[in-house]
Amino acid sequence: EVQLLESGGNLVQPGESLRLSCEASGFTFSNSPMSWVRQAPGKGLEWVAGISDSADRTWYADSVKGRFTISRDNSQNTLYLQMNSLRAEETALYYCVKGEKESPGHYYFGYWGQGTLVTVSS
Amino acid sequence: DIQMTQSPSSLSASVGDRVTISCRASQAIINHLNWYQLKPGKAPKVLIHGASSLQSGVPSRFSGSGSGTDFTLTIHSLQPEDFGSYYCQQSYTVPKTFGQGTKVEIK
Repeated sequence: EVQLLESGGNLVQPGESLRLSCEASGFTFSNSPMSWVRQAPGKGLEWVAGISDSADRTWYADSVKGRFTISRDNSQNTLYLQMNSLRAEETALYYCVKGEKESPGHYYFGYWGQGTLVTVSS
Repeated sequence: DIQMTQSPSSLSASVGDRVTISCRASQAIINHLNWYQLKPGKAPKVLIHGASSLQSGVPSRFSGSGSGTDFTLTIHSLQPEDFGSYYCQQSYTVPKTFGQGTKVEIK
C-alpha cells in the first residue's frame, strides 16, 4: 500500500524558513517523480514544485521560484521542501504527491498524503 | 501558463442524478487532463487520468471525456458519498495547473 507521510508543518512568522519532509513507503520511491501541492484555506489546489525520479530535474511554480527548494533522498525514501522567506499568503495545507507516469514526459498525481499545515503569521 | 477554467463552481443534486462538470484549457493539451476528488479530512484521490482512463478502484459511475481544450467529468448516478470538491488539472506542461474546483453537494 502506498503511504506518504508529511511532517514539518508549523506556525512561523513572515520571512522565516521551514523544511517539510515526506516519508514514502509501499512503492519503489526512486522510480517515481514527486511533487508538492498546496491548498490555502478556502482556496483551490496549487502545484508548488516537482522533482524527477533521479533528482536530476526540478520544476517550480513562479510564485516560489528562488525561495523554495525541492529535493529527495532516494536512499531514505524521503522527499523534502525547503521553504525560505515565507509569506502570509503561503499559509496552506501542503501535500506530498506521487507522480504516475502516463507517457514520456507526462505524469499525473496518483497518490497524495494527508498533508501538513503551514501557518505563516505574526 | 495554461489556464484551466472549470464550471460550475458549485452544484447541488439528488442521489441518482447525472452530474456533469466541465473544464476548459486555454490551449490544446491533447488528452493530458486529470480529475481529482477532495473530501475534508481525507487525502485527495485521482478519479480519471489521461482524460478518460478510470483510475483503478474508482467506481464505474465516474467517467471522463474530451480532448484538445474541452473536457467533461460525468457522475452517472450520484451517490451520497460523492459529496466533496472536484478539480481538473492539466499534465501537459509545467506549471501543472488546476481548475478552480467544483463543490458538489447532495440535496
